[in-house]
Amino acid sequence: DQQVKQNSPSLSVQEGRISILNCDYTNSMFDYFLWYKKYPAEGPTFLISISSIKDKNEDGRFTVFLNKSAKHLSLHIVPSQPGDSAVYFCAASGNGGSQGNLIFGKGTKLSVKP
Amino acid sequence: DAGVIQSPRHEVTEMGQEVTLRCKPISGHNSLFWYRQTMMRGLELLIYFNNNVPIDDSGMPEDRFSAKMPNASFSTLKIQPSEPRDSAVYFCASSLGWGGSEKLFFGSGTQLSVL
Repeated sequence: DQQVKQNSPSLSVQEGRISILNCDYTNSMFDYFLWYKKYPAEGPTFLISISSIKDKNEDGRFTVFLNKSAKHLSLHIVPSQPGDSAVYFCAASGNGGSQGNLIFGKGTKLSVKP
Repeated sequence: DAGVIQSPRHEVTEMGQEVTLRCKPISGHNSLFWYRQTMMRGLELLIYFNNNVPIDDSGMPEDRFSAKMPNASFSTLKIQPSEPRDSAVYFCASSLGWGGSEKLFFGSGTQLSVL
C-alpha cells in the first residue's frame, strides 16, 4: 500500500509558466515533507521541505503548499525553466522524525519546453 | 566536498554471481542509507545505519542481501547470489543527523543488470 502517492507520472509545461506537482499521503503520522529533484544518471537532490506546523514554504522560484486536512501537498515552480526538467520525488517522514521512515513517492517527470 | 561516492557506476553480471556495491558517505555524516529504485516500486529504503550501526534492515528483500558499515567512511551492499529481478539502480545516501528533517545527500547510484 503506497503511503505517498504521486498520481501524475509526467507533466509538460511551457517555459515561463507555472509547474504544479502534486502529492497525496495516507499516513496522518507524517509530520515532515520533502521534495527531491533527480536528473538522469544522477542521484536525487534535496529541493525544499515543509514541516506539518506550516502550510507554506517558499524558496526562490519554488513553493511547497501543505493541506493537512486533505493530506495533500504541492510543489509550485514559477517561472518554469528548461533546466527544471527532471523527475521530482515527494517524500514524507513521521513517527517522531526517524529518518528511516522517509517514504518516497514514485516521482513525476517534469518537462519544461522552451 | 566530493559528495557521496558510489562504485561501480554500472555493473553487469550473470545470475548466481556475487555483487558488491560500495559507498563512501560525506565526511562527518553519521547516517547512511541504501535505496533501490525500480519502475514498479520507485525508491525503496533497504537499510540504514546510524554511527555505523544498522538500525533497520526490514527493507532488505531477502537473505541474499546484506550490508555492512565497518567504519564511518565506507559501506557495502552485497547480493549473493544475484537474480535478474535484482536489476535496478541502487543509491547510497548520507545525512548529517538523525531526524526526519535532515536532508539526504545521494550518490549517483549503481545501475545493476543481472542477466
